[in-house]
Amino acid sequence: GNSVTQMEGPVTLSEEAFLTINCTYTATGYPSLFWYVQYPGEGLQLLLKATKADDKGSNKGFEATYRKETTSFHLEKGSVQVSDSAVYFCALIHSGAGSYQLTFGKGTKLSVIP
Amino acid sequence: NAGVTQTPKFQVLKTGQSMTLQCAQDMNHEYMSWYRQDPGMGLRLIHYSVGAGITDQGEVPNGYNVSRSTTEDFPLRLLSAAPSQTSVYFCASSFQGYEQYFGPGTRLTVT
Repeated sequence: GNSVTQMEGPVTLSEEAFLTINCTYTATGYPSLFWYVQYPGEGLQLLLKATKADDKGSNKGFEATYRKETTSFHLEKGSVQVSDSAVYFCALIHSGAGSYQLTFGKGTKLSVIP
Repeated sequence: NAGVTQTPKFQVLKTGQSMTLQCAQDMNHEYMSWYRQDPGMGLRLIHYSVGAGITDQGEVPNGYNVSRSTTEDFPLRLLSAAPSQTSVYFCASSFQGYEQYFGPGTRLTVT
């Protein structure tokens, strides 16, 4: 079945540091890939997405590239801010028979300190 | 637009009690789903619906019922609560399944 593996946290960075959160997946065919972000006490928000190989999703300074050859979708940001402190989830959708089931990784908690 | 709304925000139940978690969306989305979030487990799909009158099971459906009588509403029912159902519950909706919008969550404790 489908699965998503992302690096375990927590991750603590100083402001303006470079961020990488690794994500790899297992799925048949061609899934769509997502990064969601969950700020404290809130629901999940879509951060970025990519729907086919070599697509790059980007938003708010975050980027991730769909690498089919390595089955990866690593999240990066060049300079993190305190406001980026949150839990980040990598996820995939592999639609089949009309269902759009998101499969999530376990989440990576990021803390950015001033 | 209010987006996806969930009520209540917090709930404490005793083992064996029943309750309904409410979810509503005002975006005319066909696809709606319920997830539970547990520490170290990510989010897991409980039930989903691809339109009014159509529901199906997800990864962890046991102990939960759903129905979808309107496009807007997708309630989740716990018929006999158990401590294993202590979790944070999220409802989500989407137009064609891919970009899903999440509600703020309901934190449920079963004692």
